[in-house]
Amino acid sequence: DIQMTQSPSSLSASVGDRVTITCRASQSISSYLNWYQQKPGKAPNLLIYAASSLQSGVPSRFSGSGSGTDFTLTISSLQPEDFATYYCQQTYSTLSFGQGTRLEIK
Amino acid sequence: QITLKESGPTLVKPTQTLTLTCTFSGFSLSTSGVGVGWIRQPPGKALEWLALIYWDDDKRYGPSLKSRLTITKDTSKNQVVLTMTNMDPVDTATYYCAHRRLWTGTFGSDFDYWGQGTLVTVSS
Repeated sequence: DIQMTQSPSSLSASVGDRVTITCRASQSISSYLNWYQQKPGKAPNLLIYAASSLQSGVPSRFSGSGSGTDFTLTISSLQPEDFATYYCQQTYSTLSFGQGTRLEIK
Repeated sequence: QITLKESGPTLVKPTQTLTLTCTFSGFSLSTSGVGVGWIRQPPGKALEWLALIYWDDDKRYGPSLKSRLTITKDTSKNQVVLTMTNMDPVDTATYYCAHRRLWTGTFGSDFDYWGQGTLVTVSS
């Protein structure tokens, strides 16, 4: 099974900051990598699919990159509504999620 | 417009079998490439994928719970049912169903629409 490891596990940042979250796969997954945002008490929301494609309706300050084993999610300028938990997910083989990165207000 | 909604008991006793129903609209599970998955999240913890059923009735299960899970579909009712046997307090979680979207030209996919989730508590 493919293990997904996110770093950091938690992160404090301020409105306007540029933030990067990393996801590493235990083996190559090509570009079969998605990113989700989850706010407390809500279902996850798809942000990025296929490593770098922006889901319809998602603000352009979100971007994704990477292939193989190393991937990043970048928020170019944090907005108040972006403070949430972010998960990566691989769909190359048996589906799996990362452990999550909690983004908090500094 | 795609919507999904989970339903089932909010409280089950240890050793009982949990049955959850996902009722959806806005798509057909008979359309090639489409699937519905179940994902759970214990309080304060990460997402865990449980099971997925495809338009052609192919089924996939997460490795850690495979022996306890069964996923079925009723295309005429637009429903997917997940059963989990031998429930334990550690299975207390919010259970989500989600629409699986297949990317064009590849086998890659994502969950682009999710239900609101249903909290299931396992306690005697």
